[in-house]
Amino acid sequence: GAVVSQHPSRVICKSGTSVKIECRSLDFQATTMFWYRQFPKQSLMLMATSNEGSKATYEQGVEKDKFLINHASLTLSTLTVTSAHPEDSSFYICSARDSDGRGPIQYFGAGTRLSVL
Amino acid sequence: QKEVEQNSGPLSVPEGAIASLNCTYSDRVSQSFFWYRQYSGKSPELIMSIYSNGDKEDGRFTAQLNKASQYVSLLIRDSQPSDSATYLCAVKGNQFYFGTGTSLTVIP
Repeated sequence: GAVVSQHPSRVICKSGTSVKIECRSLDFQATTMFWYRQFPKQSLMLMATSNEGSKATYEQGVEKDKFLINHASLTLSTLTVTSAHPEDSSFYICSARDSDGRGPIQYFGAGTRLSVL
Repeated sequence: QKEVEQNSGPLSVPEGAIASLNCTYSDRVSQSFFWYRQYSGKSPELIMSIYSNGDKEDGRFTAQLNKASQYVSLLIRDSQPSDSATYLCAVKGNQFYFGTGTSLTVIP
């Protein structure tokens, strides 16, 4: 079945550093990928929609210059948290929409837990 | 085998009926179980969480967990058209795993 691979699963970094998270669709092409953030005991929050070959669409309140999204191919989207600060510590989840006509099914990555010291 | 499996549906039920959504998982160390509802074009929203075997009721929603059989289900009583959405099952052990979602349509 369709699989979305997300790496790394866990990152611990110092304040001020940048962190890159990769999201790959392993057996299907995904023209659209989504990036979510989840704080403890809260629902997933959509951060941005990533479209292959074009600029990402950011949700209100999400800083596009801080959360850089690149969707350079149909199987890979990256999220870079620039100059990370402790308040950026969260669980980041990507998902990819299968575009082979089977329907609008989203496959989720396993998530990346970011801890900024 | 996928970590979390759900029937993709679509599941259609008439208004007022009970909708039953099922989910199985493979990781026996899983401790936390969640149901999310996602409307088209929106983020998934958490509607139920369950951590121990048995039933947990919240309004029209009942989550059922059976760790021995490794399944978790969501029952929606008195289904309403506004319940039409995709329902995501999520399981958390060492990592967070989501099912692909079940599309539910409640027919007026």
